[in-house]
Amino acid sequence: SQKIEQNSEALNIQEGKTATLTCNYTNYSPAYLQWYRQDPGRGPVFLLLIRENEKEKRKERLKVTFDTTLKQSLFHITASQPADSATYLCALDRRYSSASKIIFGSGTRLSIRP
Amino acid sequence: KAGVTQTPRYLIKTRGQQVTLSCSPISGHRSVSWYQQTPGQGLQFLFEYFSETQRNKGNFPGRFSGRQFSNSRSEMNVSTLELGDSALYLCASSLQGGPLTDTQYFGPGTRLTVL
Repeated sequence: SQKIEQNSEALNIQEGKTATLTCNYTNYSPAYLQWYRQDPGRGPVFLLLIRENEKEKRKERLKVTFDTTLKQSLFHITASQPADSATYLCALDRRYSSASKIIFGSGTRLSIRP
Repeated sequence: KAGVTQTPRYLIKTRGQQVTLSCSPISGHRSVSWYQQTPGQGLQFLFEYFSETQRNKGNFPGRFSGRQFSNSRSEMNVSTLELGDSALYLCASSLQGGPLTDTQYFGPGTRLTVL
């Protein structure tokens, strides 16, 4: 069955550094891979979507890469700030295929210390 | 534009009871998806509705059901509640439900506690 794993449960880094979060998946290549941010007590907020035929996507200080050979996506936050502290989720989206589902990783809790 | 709203925000039920949760999507959004979030299992996809029809479904038992109305509002029902159903239930809406336009906007969730 399809699995998706986010390697680190928690990541602590210094303000100003680049945070890199990892998402690995098994079996099928997802049609789309999404990244979300979730703050305590709130629903996830969509950040970026990358398609299987794209290598990289950027949005302001955020960058996502997608390596279908390694079956891995990396999520980078450059010039990190304490306000970036949150849980980040990746999601493997195969709702529009025969798999008919979207699968979320367990999340990485990112803490940016001043 | 108002975001996704979910009611109630908190709910306490006992085992064996049933519960109905409600979700109002962003105006103009036609796709509504439901998710269950627990500390142990994380965020799990329940089902998606589009134009009053269930379009996608996750791996949950038949006790979990839903429906969507003509105004795109959606309800989720859980019958014969079990302790393990205690979770945060999240609803997400999107414009058309198509792959490239399918930015999902999540509501704040309903926290269900089963005693």
